[in-house]
Amino acid sequence: AQSVTQLDSQVPVFEEAPVELRCNYSSSVSVYLFWYVQYPNQGLQLLLKYLSGSTLVKGINGFEAEFNKSQTSFHLRKPSVHISDTAEYFCAVSDRRSDYKLSFGAGTTVTVRA
Amino acid sequence: DTGVSQDPRHKITKRGQNVTFRCDPISEHNRLYWYRQTLGQGPEFLTYFQNEAQLEKSRLLSDRFSAERPKGSFSTLEIQRTEQGDSAMYLCASSLEAGVLTDTQYFGPGTRLTVL
Repeated sequence: AQSVTQLDSQVPVFEEAPVELRCNYSSSVSVYLFWYVQYPNQGLQLLLKYLSGSTLVKGINGFEAEFNKSQTSFHLRKPSVHISDTAEYFCAVSDRRSDYKLSFGAGTTVTVRA
Repeated sequence: DTGVSQDPRHKITKRGQNVTFRCDPISEHNRLYWYRQTLGQGPEFLTYFQNEAQLEKSRLLSDRFSAERPKGSFSTLEIQRTEQGDSAMYLCASSLEAGVLTDTQYFGPGTRLTVL
C-alpha cells in the first residue's frame, strides 16, 4: 500500500525568501507523484506532477519539485515566495496497481509574512 | 472547460438528517472520485466511478454513505442519519480516463458539511 509523509505541518516564511516543503512516500511499485495547493475555502489545485522522465519537474506559480527514487522523496521548492503563496500544500502519490487513486499526505501549511 | 462544480458549497444539518451532495465533473471526463477531508488532514479517498460503474465502494465510511452516477455524468453522494463525526469537507474530482498520462485529477471547490 502507498503512503505519504509530509514532514512539516507548518512552515512560516518571510516574503521573497525561499521555501522547501518535504514529502516522503512509500510504495512497492513505480509511483506517480503530485503536489496540490489549497487556498482557504477552496478545492485543490494541481501545482505539478511527476509521471516519468526528468526528475526535476516545474509547475505553476514558480514552484518546482525533484523526484529522488533512492530517498523516496518528492520535495517542493520555490526560490522566492509571495504573500499570495500562503496556503496549504498536499503531496500525493498514485500508481497503476491502485488504479491511480490518490493517497495524500496530511498537508503543510505555509504562512508567508511581509 | 468550466471545471468541476459541487453543490451545495455549505450544508448545515441536524444529527439524524439525511444529506445529498452533487458533483458535476468536467465534461467528457470518464472518471469521478469522491474524497473526504477533515480539519488538519489530507483528503481521504471514499469511492470512484468509471462512467456509471462504481469501481470501489469499500472505502465508504459506513453503510450510511452511498454514491451514484446514474448516467455517467454528474454524481451524488448521500449520507443517511448524519452524525457529528460526519462533519467534514467532501471533495469531488474528475479525470479524463485511467492511464498514467490521462488520469490527472481536477478537484471541485468542495461541500463543507456541518452536523449539529
